[in-house]
Amino acid sequence: GAVVSQHPSWVICKSGTSVKIECRSLDFQATTMFWYRQFPKQSLMLMATSNEGSKATYEQGVEKDKFLINHASLTLSTLTVTSAHPEDSSFYICSARDPRLAGNNEQFFGPGTRLTVL
Amino acid sequence: AQSVTQLGSHVSVSEGALVLLRCNYSSSVPPYLFWYVQYPNQGLQLLLKYTSAATLVKGINGFEAEFKKSETSFHLTKPSAHMSDAAEYFCAVSETGTASKLTFGTGTRLQVTL
Repeated sequence: GAVVSQHPSWVICKSGTSVKIECRSLDFQATTMFWYRQFPKQSLMLMATSNEGSKATYEQGVEKDKFLINHASLTLSTLTVTSAHPEDSSFYICSARDPRLAGNNEQFFGPGTRLTVL
Repeated sequence: AQSVTQLGSHVSVSEGALVLLRCNYSSSVPPYLFWYVQYPNQGLQLLLKYTSAATLVKGINGFEAEFKKSETSFHLTKPSAHMSDAAEYFCAVSETGTASKLTFGTGTRLQVTL
């Protein structure tokens, strides 16, 4: 159980375009999802916490208008990178918390999306 | 505030040798602690977690970790390394409470040689 998927697994886009990444919890309902960014050979940096039915909470230094997060249902959160530029190229990973396991803060991670902006 | 320090960005061991990956944490309240493994171009997979039960935690693939409050450590060990263990390993800390976020260490790349 507790499987999280992401789509697409990789995407290449032109500078100035927008890209949407989907994160789905496949076998549970996730009221809270998280979006991370990982640069090559570095750790995961939390970008924002996505709460179903409300606005996302962004970490300091993350541009809200640049990285749009929508958590419209209990199984889907989306991250849209708007007006992408080469410096946005990165590995984006989402995770979700299973409320049935409340009490240990474990997060289940998606397989990641490799974004390359030309 | 919480933080995690992983000593050694790269660790190399011979196949069959002991694996020891170090993790020290800082937390103002009793923490939850996690070890995740990441293979190239993949997401993170949970190896094991400490949630204030037994201090010696056994995980998947023969890994285990011991929570030592006095040393604020949660080192990951495996008695005998296998080639398939080569990956990036991340230690993470979370404060108790369902709203708490995970804070990750910088990761340790484990290389296993013949």
